[in-house]
Formats: sequence, structure tokens, C-alpha cells
Amino acid sequence: EAGVTQFPSHSVIEKGQTVTLRCDPISGHDNLYWYRRVMGKEIKFLLHFVKESKQDESGMPNNRFLAERTGGTYSTLKVQPAELEDSGVYFCASSQETGTSYEQYFGPGTRLTVT
Amino acid sequence: RKEVEQDPGPFNVPEGATVAFNCTYSNSASQSFFWYRQDCRKEPKLLMSVYSSGNEDGRFTAQLNRASQYISLLIRDSKLSDSATYLCVVRSPGTYKYIFGTGTRLKVLA
Repeated sequence: EAGVTQFPSHSVIEKGQTVTLRCDPISGHDNLYWYRRVMGKEIKFLLHFVKESKQDESGMPNNRFLAERTGGTYSTLKVQPAELEDSGVYFCASSQETGTSYEQYFGPGTRLTVT
Repeated sequence: RKEVEQDPGPFNVPEGATVAFNCTYSNSASQSFFWYRQDCRKEPKLLMSVYSSGNEDGRFTAQLNRASQYISLLIRDSKLSDSATYLCVVRSPGTYKYIFGTGTRLKVLA
């Protein structure tokens, strides 16, 4: 079974530009999450989708970040315009809806560098 | 105070040693706990969920102490391949959101 995949693996952009990150969850997983790790800090939650609906977006830092999950399959996270502090590793994770197991499976991440 | 706290290490241990990590959490309503392993520049990989009764998977044992609000991970007979960062993760009550500790770095030496 294929795991969570993310694209691109790396992205280097200039301040003020736009970047779109993509995540394909494990097939059949309704729950999809975005997390971010900035240099020297712990991994932090950004948001949670259940199918195509945003269930929890309490971790989104500001309105320059827009996440979508049209059709409830893959998700995109767009940063527009990018700022220097947006640099970090963006992880996507997915999980099944079981009601008792909350185990999340992570993708390899996208390393974003804003210069 | 951070919601999930871990000693960052590094813990340097010889092969074959037993090593234990603790992690404390601040929200007493927390119900789900996990240990993830992260290799350098890789994604976190689920090592084990932590159950109230404690659980064991081969050389790895996880324990939960609700009264003192900490979880622990014990690794027996350490292997060189166990060298990694071990992340303590707590699910935020009433949500699916994970709260991560900063991780504890383990180096197993030959």
C-alpha cells in the first residue's frame, strides 16, 4: 500500500512569491492533516480535513495560507505571498476514521526555503 | 509551560544498553499518546501508541502514568539502527490535532 506522498520535496522561492504544496493521502483515509516544522522548533499542527471539509484550522498562522481538498482526495496548501518566516518543513499526514485509533501516518515533507 | 515536554538529549549509549526517555504533558484531559521515531531529514514514523495498561513491542516498552502526567519509552538491547530522534506526541483532547514534543535525540555507539 502506498504511503502519504508530497510534492515537491524541496522548493526555494523568493519573498513575495507564491508556492503551492501538494499532498496525496493514503488511499481510503478521510482525515488529512498539515503540520509544519520551522528551524529549531517542534512540529506544529496547521489544519485538519475530514474529506473535503475543514474540521480544524486553528493552527493556520495567517490568511496568507490557504488549504484546499477538493473532492476529498489530495490536498493543496498555498502560501501567498511567502515571507521569510514561512521557511520550514511542511508535513502532511492522514488517518482512517475508526473512532478509537487516532494514529496518523506522515508523508516525507516539503522543505520550503523563502529567500 | 510547553504542552508536551521532552529532554532534547542527546543520549549517547553503547550498543546493548537499555535507555529510557520520559515525556510530560500539561493537559490532564489528554487521552491518546504516541511515540514516533524521526530519522534525520525524514518524516516521523509511528513507533507505538501508548495504552493505559502499558504496551510492549519487541525491545520497546511504553508506559503511561496519568497521575504524574508522563509517558515513557524504554528501549532494551539498543542497536546502532535505533539512533534517531524520538518524538513524544499527545492528541489534543476533543480533536484530532497532534501536539509534538521537541524530540529526544538518541545515539547508539559501537
